Amino acid sequence: DSGVTQTPKHLITATGQRVTLRCSPRSGDLSVYWYQQSLDQGLQFLIQYYNGEERAKGNILERFSAQQFPDLHSELNLSSLELGDSALYFCASSPGYGGETQYFGPGTRLLVL
Amino acid sequence: QQQVKQSPQSLIVQKGGISIINCAYENTAFDYFPWYQQFPGKGPALLIAIRPDVSEKKEGRFTISFNKSAKQFSLHIMDSQPGDSATYFCAARAGSGNTGKLIFGQGTTLQVKP
Repeated sequence: DSGVTQTPKHLITATGQRVTLRCSPRSGDLSVYWYQQSLDQGLQFLIQYYNGEERAKGNILERFSAQQFPDLHSELNLSSLELGDSALYFCASSPGYGGETQYFGPGTRLLVL
Repeated sequence: QQQVKQSPQSLIVQKGGISIINCAYENTAFDYFPWYQQFPGKGPALLIAIRPDVSEKKEGRFTISFNKSAKQFSLHIMDSQPGDSATYFCAARAGSGNTGKLIFGQGTTLQVKP
């Protein structure tokens, strides 16, 4: 158990809908990362927050947004969902912003029908 | 430039054998190279990592070899065990330590046969 929690574990929704994925980092970790894992794209970095501020951005679609709250938990919002958004979404956390040891959560499996 | 290429895609090794997974990169600004291990249904977990100023790092049965001039690095698993059967990802950090943005390879599925 990495200490990172993600909810929900599974999510089934329809195209065009909006969903929110939630992540609680390990106690004391200030950085939260979001990754998307799919069969064709592999593990892709989406975005990093450090102590409430956006730190780094990857190939995150404009339909996707994230934030980190004062209690350090983070939410990833996915809107106008498409079939191709079906994937595993992982959250990871690390103590600092350099991300040298990232602890991954168990993931949220999203299925868009 | 922001890619990490990993090979092979899959690997089958006999118990006790050596598993070797290779990665290559182009961006010389990458400054930290971790390997992650992922079991089915779980998130990736950090296995071992290396910085480009070191040519080799060993932790137990796991060794990273790093060739800075060739921009290549590899993971060697000695005395491979069935419990090592998992997917392995190499990665590189982009951002010179100011961010934790990791670029991952495509992954290698390792099967160790008893």
